[in-house]
Amino acid sequence: GNSVTQMEGPVTLSEEAFLTINCTYTATGYPSLFWYVQYPGEGLQLLLKATKADDKGSNKGFEATYRKETTSFHLEKGSVQVSDSAVYFCALRASGSARQLTFGSGTQLTVLP
Amino acid sequence: DAGVIQSPRHEVTEMGQEVTLRCKPISGHDYLFWYRQTMMRGLELLIYFNNNVPIDDSGMPEDRFSAKMPNASFSTLKIQPSEPRDSAVYFCASSARYTEAFFGQGTRLTVV
Repeated sequence: GNSVTQMEGPVTLSEEAFLTINCTYTATGYPSLFWYVQYPGEGLQLLLKATKADDKGSNKGFEATYRKETTSFHLEKGSVQVSDSAVYFCALRASGSARQLTFGSGTQLTVLP
Repeated sequence: DAGVIQSPRHEVTEMGQEVTLRCKPISGHDYLFWYRQTMMRGLELLIYFNNNVPIDDSGMPEDRFSAKMPNASFSTLKIQPSEPRDSAVYFCASSARYTEAFFGQGTRLTVV
């Protein structure tokens, strides 16, 4: 079946540090890949997505590239801010007619001033 | 649009009681999803609907859980009887054919 494996947290960084959160997936065909962010007490919000190999999703300074050869979709940001503190989820949606998302376990990020 | 609206935001109930969680999807979205979030198991899909019809309920943990979508603007998730292990945050999400999923703020359920 489909699965997503995410880098274990929690991750604590100083402001302006470089961020990488690793994500790898297992799926047949060509899934779509997503990063969602969850701020305390809130629901999940889409951060970025990529729908085919070599696509790069980007938003709010975050980037992730869909790597078919390594089945990865690592999240990066060059300079994190305190306001980026949240839980980050990597997810996939299988190709074909399926619409549901399969999520990774989530990575808690804390950015210190 | 106000987004996906869930109610209540918090629910505390005693073991054995019936619990009903409610969701109003974004207007025009024809897919609706119920997810459960726990520390131990992360985010799990319970069930999803397309055009008010249940498509995949394989994630529903047991017969105590049931979900309905009587019309395009309303869905319920019911637990009867509730147990302490049902304590979790329950999320509803909706999407259209070519959009990503939009999530509600969740209902935090505590069963004591």
